[in-house]
Amino acid sequence: DAGVIQSPRHEVTEMGQEVTLRCKPISGHNSLFWYRQTMMRGLELLIYFNNNVPIDDSGMPEDRFSAKMPNASFSTLKIQPSEPRDSAVYFCASTPAGKIDEQYFGPGTRLTVT
Amino acid sequence: AQTVTQSQPEMSVQEAETVTLSCTYDTSESDYYLFWYKQPPSRQMILVIRQEAYKQQNATENRFSVNFQKAAKSFSLKISDSQLGDAAMYFCAYRSFTGTASKLTFGTGTRLQVTL
Repeated sequence: DAGVIQSPRHEVTEMGQEVTLRCKPISGHNSLFWYRQTMMRGLELLIYFNNNVPIDDSGMPEDRFSAKMPNASFSTLKIQPSEPRDSAVYFCASTPAGKIDEQYFGPGTRLTVT
Repeated sequence: AQTVTQSQPEMSVQEAETVTLSCTYDTSESDYYLFWYKQPPSRQMILVIRQEAYKQQNATENRFSVNFQKAAKSFSLKISDSQLGDAAMYFCAYRSFTGTASKLTFGTGTRLQVTL
């Protein structure tokens, strides 16, 4: 299995632009998580889905952030408009069905907003 | 809400020696999972070891073992025979035992350096 796939790996954009991060979970996994990692705040859970349904989005910073999971094999995290303080590494992780004790992380997307 | 505390921002160990990374947590739940994740310079989070709170026996994975003290809410990671490839950030994490999926709460991490 290829593992959790995230794209792009690096994204540099200007303030005010829309940014879309993509994630393909491991096949057969039914839970998906979006995390943000910064030096100041560490790893923070933004949102997670179970069977494509958002379960907890309390970590989403503000309305500029939105996440979707239209099917079991794809999710997006969108920031519109982006701001310099959104610069971070964004991780996607997935969990196998019936085995909630492990999360498999993707390689992350490093976002820089100038 | 659960919290996870890693009080050692940085640790250093010589190759082939043993090092212990500390982690404490706060929870009112009786059943939960605890994890140690490794984040090398490549940034990808890699699961090192996990412990179910209902199991008294400490988990072990090759050179990695934990000292789980449920009453003290302590979950330390011991790395034996340290290797250069062990150099990374290590994160302790907590997960509730409830439901079909639940979020991980991470500590702030400990950066481990391995010297020759």
